[in-house]
Amino acid sequence: GAVVSQHPSRVICKSGTSVKIECRSLDFQATTMFWYRQFPKQSLMLMATSNEGSKATYEQGVEKDKFLINHASLTLSTLTVTSAHPEDSSFYICSAREPGTVSEAFFGQGTRLTVV
Amino acid sequence: GQNIDQPTEMTATEGAIVQINCTYQTSGFNGLFWYQQHAGEAPTFLSYNVLDGLEEKGRFSSFLSRSKGYSYLLLKELQMKDSASYLCAALDSNYQLIWGAGTKLIIKP
Repeated sequence: GAVVSQHPSRVICKSGTSVKIECRSLDFQATTMFWYRQFPKQSLMLMATSNEGSKATYEQGVEKDKFLINHASLTLSTLTVTSAHPEDSSFYICSAREPGTVSEAFFGQGTRLTVV
Repeated sequence: GQNIDQPTEMTATEGAIVQINCTYQTSGFNGLFWYQQHAGEAPTFLSYNVLDGLEEKGRFSSFLSRSKGYSYLLLKELQMKDSASYLCAALDSNYQLIWGAGTKLIIKP
């Protein structure tokens, strides 16, 4: 099946710094990728939909200037958490689906971000 | 609006059977997915239903009734490793996945 690779799996950063998370579709072209955040014992929360070659669509309440999304190619989307604060500590997961199909969503491995 | 409802938490005994229900209301419908998520890990695909009826895959089965906007995931011969959250997600007319909040399943010996 299709594979989505996410990197890094864990990152610890200092408050005020920025962190970049990469999401790659390894064997299909993903025109759309999705970024989720998940706090402990809670379900997935969609943050934004990343569209190749255009601006991302952010969900209500998600600051686009804080969570920068770039989808410059059909196989790579990046999420940059800028000026990170301890409250941004969370599990971030990307997913992608093969376009124009009813395929399952393929998830990256997730990134555990800890801001200290 | 679009909505997915599933129980927050369920408890079952090792070796038993458990059924996790999911009801959905979406703008159009292109199928329903079930995912398993262990703590600290990404969700993994379990099943996809688009036609009414039961799909069986080993110890796991998934059922769909489109007229009732209802699905369930049936887990048989429960094992301790089945302790996880189970996520229900419906695909709407725009092929967007609408996610439920997940059901945490606790398996007791």
